[in-house]
Amino acid sequence: KAGVTQTPRYLIKTRGQQVTLSCSPISGHRSVSWYQQTPGQGLQFLFEYFSETQRNKGNFPGRFSGRQFSNSRSEMNVSTLELGDSALYLCASSLGGRDSPLHFGNGTRLTVT
Amino acid sequence: GEDVEQSLFLSVREGDSSVINCTYTDSSSTYLYWYKQEPGAGLQLLTYIFSNMDMKQDQRLTVLLNKKDKHLSLRIADTQTGDSAIYFCAESESNYGQNFVFGPGTRLSVLP
Repeated sequence: KAGVTQTPRYLIKTRGQQVTLSCSPISGHRSVSWYQQTPGQGLQFLFEYFSETQRNKGNFPGRFSGRQFSNSRSEMNVSTLELGDSALYLCASSLGGRDSPLHFGNGTRLTVT
Repeated sequence: GEDVEQSLFLSVREGDSSVINCTYTDSSSTYLYWYKQEPGAGLQLLTYIFSNMDMKQDQRLTVLLNKKDKHLSLRIADTQTGDSAIYFCAESESNYGQNFVFGPGTRLSVLP
């Protein structure tokens, strides 16, 4: 079974631009979560989607948004990029129960200059 | 919100056992998880334990859970250089849907 696939692996953007990251979950998984990983803040939860609906949201500004499609694939968008948005963005999929283990992709490394 | 704490660094000799510790705050967590992250990669699920269990063994990995003290540990037997990585413990915070809270990660260095 294929794992979680994230594209692209690397992105370089300048301040003020916007960016879209993509995630394809494991087949059969209906939940997709997004996390931001930085050296200073560690792993922080962005949001979770289940059956095309946002089910949980972390404490990030409205510049961070996401969506999920009917095939469970998900995208997250960051608008008006700031230097502090430079991070590894990790997508994880699961069956969707509260305690279902998360399975992570290899992430998208975003650098904002 | 909930909080998960871990020591940040651990060094061991190849062939020794490694013990990585974690404390958590959410007593309602049903499962607790251990993940491994190697350089340039995402998080790999290692194992998880149901909260009504005290111990779970999976090949070289042993998880111990002390629910009273909210303390979780991961023991790696016969540690190898390939075990060098960052190890995260995590609990599931939300009562609806999924929101995992991760510790800061323990960087394990295995010395030859």
